[in-house]
Amino acid sequence: GQNIDQPTEMTATEGAIVQINCTYQTSGFNGLFWYQQHAGEAPTFLSYNVLDGLEEKGRFSSFLSRSKGYSYLLLKELQMKDSASYLCAVRDSNYQLIWGAGTKLIIKP
Amino acid sequence: DGGITQSPKYLFRKEGQNVTLSCEQNLNHDAMYWYRQDPGQGLRLIYYSQIVNDFQKGDIAEGYSVSREKKESFPLTVTSAQKNPTAFYLCASSIVDRGLIEAFFGQGTRLTVV
Repeated sequence: GQNIDQPTEMTATEGAIVQINCTYQTSGFNGLFWYQQHAGEAPTFLSYNVLDGLEEKGRFSSFLSRSKGYSYLLLKELQMKDSASYLCAVRDSNYQLIWGAGTKLIIKP
Repeated sequence: DGGITQSPKYLFRKEGQNVTLSCEQNLNHDAMYWYRQDPGQGLRLIYYSQIVNDFQKGDIAEGYSVSREKKESFPLTVTSAQKNPTAFYLCASSIVDRGLIEAFFGQGTRLTVV
């Protein structure tokens, strides 16, 4: 079966750095996405990785290792507004998105 | 502004009634999707459509129906056959391309069946 694992919840301090991990087992791989979702709202796109390595976009970076079935989202200089759920999704061989359950990130002052 | 609109944001229905959730997009996207989100779970695909007048079942299609008569619209009907319909429903759209297929989401409809 297809499976995407993320930690359920993480806590970090304002101004610090946090890394949210995602491991996946899917039938094929055609890219990995990270989305941010505030409570009760729609997910919004953060990043996309299809090749191994690090993609940096401002305070957010995303890393992919296809051989390990592993990705992480790195958030730097955390702000209170970063409190949200972070969803990892993998596009499989049929180009369908398989979603993880999301990681709820709590930022403390 | 281009975007994807779901309505209503909150919906209450009595058990045994069918209810239709609206999803409209003006992004000129070919593909549209309906997801269900329950607490502590990932997004689960209900139905998707990649072209007008054609749609496919997702992982949890039982108890739901859709139509795609226009490119802009992809309404979802939650029927009385759906045993546990209370959930947060998200509609999404994307271009059909094998590069970056970023999905855009509507604001969601929270359905409560009493």
